[in-house]
Amino acid sequence: AQSVAQPEDQVNVAEGNPLTVKCTYSVSGNPYLFWYVQYPNRGLQFLLKYITGDNLVKGSYGFEAEFNKSQTSFHLKKPSALVSDSALYFCAVSPFSGGYNKLIFGAGTRLAVHP
Amino acid sequence: AAGVIQSPRHLIKEKRETATLKCYPIPRHDTVYWYQQGPGQDPQFLISFYEKMQSDKGSIPDRFSAQQFSDYHSELNMSSLELGDSALYFCASSLPLAKNIQYFGAGTRLSVL
Repeated sequence: AQSVAQPEDQVNVAEGNPLTVKCTYSVSGNPYLFWYVQYPNRGLQFLLKYITGDNLVKGSYGFEAEFNKSQTSFHLKKPSALVSDSALYFCAVSPFSGGYNKLIFGAGTRLAVHP
Repeated sequence: AAGVIQSPRHLIKEKRETATLKCYPIPRHDTVYWYQQGPGQDPQFLISFYEKMQSDKGSIPDRFSAQQFSDYHSELNMSSLELGDSALYFCASSLPLAKNIQYFGAGTRLSVL
């Protein structure tokens, strides 16, 4: 079965410190991987995606993610966290099946950045 | 830039009533997806449409139906509402193909009393 795992319910980090939000996936074939962020009472906002090519993907608001095929991981990173980064982060996979595909989301990780 | 528009933003219904949620995709996006996000849950895929035809189906109850119209807007129709249908319903739109980004609307919060 195709799935996405976010092992941490919550990540706490001090402002200015680097942050990592973990994601692993299980899908047959080559996946398309995405990160979305959700602020309270808001929709999901796209951060970045991996389709093919360079394993390090840069996205919005200074975020980046590293695709690791051998570890089936796609961890989200940022060198220096801001308090305004505090939100709910979802990793998602779009398993390619030749069509117009749904996103399968992880359970989400709440990021709390403390001043 | 234009975004995905969902209406209404909030909806309160009684059990066994019906509800209709609307979604207006980003201009030139011909693919629409519906997701359901329960309290404290991750979004779950319900159904999608491409060029007015159903393209994929997920965990959508038989009590729900959806369609995409000629102007590409989509409606999710929900009948015989149950308490468990209370959730945030998101619509997303994209250009076709799985590698394209899905852009999400702000969602409709449905409360069934």
